Amino acid sequence: AQKITQTQPGMFVQEKEAVTLDCTYDTSDPSYGLFWYKQPSSGEMIFLIYQGSYDQQNATEGRYSLNFQKARKSANLVISASQLGDSAMYFCAMREGHTGGFKTIFGAGTRLFVKA
Amino acid sequence: DVKVTQSSRYLVKRTGEKVFLECVQDMDHENMFWYRQDPGLGLRLIYFSYDVKMKEKGDIPEGYSVSREKKERFSLILESASTNQTSMYLCASNPAGADSNQPQHFGDGTRLSIL
Repeated sequence: AQKITQTQPGMFVQEKEAVTLDCTYDTSDPSYGLFWYKQPSSGEMIFLIYQGSYDQQNATEGRYSLNFQKARKSANLVISASQLGDSAMYFCAMREGHTGGFKTIFGAGTRLFVKA
Repeated sequence: DVKVTQSSRYLVKRTGEKVFLECVQDMDHENMFWYRQDPGLGLRLIYFSYDVKMKEKGDIPEGYSVSREKKERFSLILESASTNQTSMYLCASNPAGADSNQPQHFGDGTRLSIL
């Protein structure tokens, strides 16, 4: 069965430093997509970055990059030059092909605290 | 701008009641999802739908049912509410496609309390 694991319940980072949030996944489907979302204290879910299972390059989006290691089934989010506004919950999610639809599941999340 | 609207932001119901949570999207998306969010557990998928009148169970469907009579509307039903269904419920939608890189769009959530 498909599964997403985020092993870091909470992380601290100093402002302006880089931080890596871990995500491992498990699926038997060769076609899948990986997403990262940010959820600030206000509660809205904000899409950050996407990586497809067949993509050759690691995805990047501004200060966000995805360290995709397919053989290890990991898709870690790297945030460079952390800002105070990066303090939030971060969720890793996986969409996989499925007969009749495309199920998307989420990890338990990592709460990031950025220190001034 | 794309919009997923959940009918209530806060809801208080009693044990045993039948509860309806409504979700409407204006983006003509094929896929719609219901999740519940609990601290330490992240978002857990209850049900999803990939077309009108089609539904599939997620990871925690027990005690819930869904209805999708129109493409834009996806309803979550708690058949007989129990206190362990107190949670934040999130609705989401996205376009269909086997290689879709389109993210889900989420509603603001409904914080449901069962007394």
